[in-house]
Amino acid sequence: EAQVTQNPRYLITVTGKKLTVTCSQNMNHEYMSWYRQDPGLGLRQIYYSMNVEVTDKGDVPEGYKVSRKEKRNFPLILESPSPNQTSLYFCASRELNSNQPQHFGDGTRLSIL
Amino acid sequence: QQQVKQSPQSLIVQKGGISIINCAYENTAFDYFPWYQQFPGKGPALLIAIRPDVSEKKEGRFTISFNKSAKQFSLHIMDSQPGDSATYFCAASRSTGRRALTFGSGTRLQVQP
Repeated sequence: EAQVTQNPRYLITVTGKKLTVTCSQNMNHEYMSWYRQDPGLGLRQIYYSMNVEVTDKGDVPEGYKVSRKEKRNFPLILESPSPNQTSLYFCASRELNSNQPQHFGDGTRLSIL
Repeated sequence: QQQVKQSPQSLIVQKGGISIINCAYENTAFDYFPWYQQFPGKGPALLIAIRPDVSEKKEGRFTISFNKSAKQFSLHIMDSQPGDSATYFCAASRSTGRRALTFGSGTRLQVQP
């Protein structure tokens, strides 16, 4: 089954404590990205990657890092989380050069106290 | 600055009725306009998409109408069912470059039995 898997699904943590949200896809997709979803704002792209070792900023990259060492994995790193990063996060993947849609994971709800 | 504006914010429709959600975009470089459906606890899933070379696309009970000159597109759900109750997002993207989806703010649809 084609899947984008995120972990953890829920996390409550405190300001300044580094955390990583993992994302893995089993579709051999080149393109992966992270979005955050906030009420009234829809989803906004944080970072994206077009292939291994190729990453770039999206619309709201401040306070986040990513890495793409393997094609299937695209972790999101919050080195010093702050309360304004409390949000619902989605990882997505797609084939780079096709009309196929992005596949989204089921989301990670982060609460930064 | 929201490049894709979506309305209404919420919508209540009786079973069997027509649900209509509207979106307007600003960036004329967008060339792909999908609609996503999201159930609680799940990631967005592609419902239907259109490219600007056609004015309408229909898939079952779901139809996208597209007006390129007005930079507007809309989703019509015919014969709405309680199982259609979900949050709907319009989005827009380019086929080249960053390929990020720019989302509308979402519409919470409730179909009453």
